[in-house]
Amino acid sequence: ETGVTQTPRHLVMGMTNKKSLKCEQHLGHNAMYWYKQSAKKPLELMFVYNFKEQTENNSVPSRFSPECPNSSHLFLHLHTLQPEDSALYLCASSQDASGGYNEQFFGPGTRLTVL
Amino acid sequence: GQNIDQPTEMTATEGAIVQINCTYQTSGFNGLFWYQQHAGEAPTFLSYNVLDGLEEKGRFSSFLSRSKGYSYLLLKELQMKDSASYLCAVKDSNYQLIWGAGTKLIIKP
Repeated sequence: ETGVTQTPRHLVMGMTNKKSLKCEQHLGHNAMYWYKQSAKKPLELMFVYNFKEQTENNSVPSRFSPECPNSSHLFLHLHTLQPEDSALYLCASSQDASGGYNEQFFGPGTRLTVL
Repeated sequence: GQNIDQPTEMTATEGAIVQINCTYQTSGFNGLFWYQQHAGEAPTFLSYNVLDGLEEKGRFSSFLSRSKGYSYLLLKELQMKDSASYLCAVKDSNYQLIWGAGTKLIIKP
């Protein structure tokens, strides 16, 4: 595997379910990100991990819980979601989270539907 | 507040040239990025500008004017595969990327 991978690619869940999204990067990067992408809206940064430490939490509801066990893996744990949480969830990585030119590499995303 | 503006949708003809504009107001500036995103796929990096002027990379060029808070992406010799959304993003003083909503580019034969 190369680049940034995400599983599952599609997920349908009820509001009372608990599920997790997984992201893995094979680029040797030290920063990882979760974004939410809704139709016709800008990408919303949710969480940032830099060298395994969470550095940003952009007012994300507690029903989203991130976990970063090492610099290659990132999880997003989901519980008691709302229908408005349906979106494409993108994972990205970069060399680190500081500096100007730090290109972010994105995974293919998980298309989440909350019923 | 921080804001990135770009047109919602543009249409162009195969073989032609198209310019996609982006204006921004952010707290600080540490560079501007352009990404391409095909439907159902991940965004992929196209260009980075931190100094004023034009950066050319094959058929794609990107321009930046920091004093005007303005950038454009120029696509030449358009091909059908260029049909995609083009995302403008600015890195602010905290090194966070602030994203525009994207411009959907439709290429017609």
